[in-house]
Amino acid sequence: DAGITQSPRHKVTETGTPVTLRCHQTENHRYMYWYRQDPGHGLRLIHYSYGVKDTDKGEVSDGYSVSRSKTEDFLLTLESATSSQTSVYFCAISEGREDQETQYFGPGTRLLVL
Amino acid sequence: QKEVEQDPGPLSVPEGAIVSLNCTYSNSAFQYFMWYRQYSRKGPELLMYTYSSGNKEDGRFTAQVDKSSKYISLFIRDSQPSDSATYLCAMSRGSYIPTFGRGTSLIVHP
Repeated sequence: DAGITQSPRHKVTETGTPVTLRCHQTENHRYMYWYRQDPGHGLRLIHYSYGVKDTDKGEVSDGYSVSRSKTEDFLLTLESATSSQTSVYFCAISEGREDQETQYFGPGTRLLVL
Repeated sequence: QKEVEQDPGPLSVPEGAIVSLNCTYSNSAFQYFMWYRQYSRKGPELLMYTYSSGNKEDGRFTAQVDKSSKYISLFIRDSQPSDSATYLCAMSRGSYIPTFGRGTSLIVHP
């Protein structure tokens, strides 16, 4: 399972509150990603990181911020949650090998914004 | 037009059938091609990985890449009810940012 954990696994929150999701990896991989998955849209990239303190935006980054202060942790923050951010959030890692670009996913976090 | 197109299905087949799942793409720069399997309420898991064109076989699974037609396929032989899942294709051009298809739902009934 590539040693990826996500916390919390489930969360219910109210509109306007801040929410932070955590992704933790144990194998020192360089690349980490946050996706959201919604019916009809598939997996959409929110933000990704290519090293400590090195992050960039993905396809659907509005309303989200990220931080990576340690190799093993990648945090996703919803500054002020909205109902449109109700989704399943997946963290992923990539080994960053030159000859291989496969990703490995965490178990997901189900977020409900009321 | 999306960069990667994948029919969402559902695709329903009887146990033992040969399943063919497909994706088309428009970006000729894609070099890395992946298939992921996702069971309900779980994260995607890597199933097959292919670099550039050609075939790759792993047990009952065969991945094919036809770069000239911009078309990739995943074949499942002797399908089992346990193969029922959503299958996502993904491809990348060397940027470590893959583009995913929306997934095809497969149902294998006994």
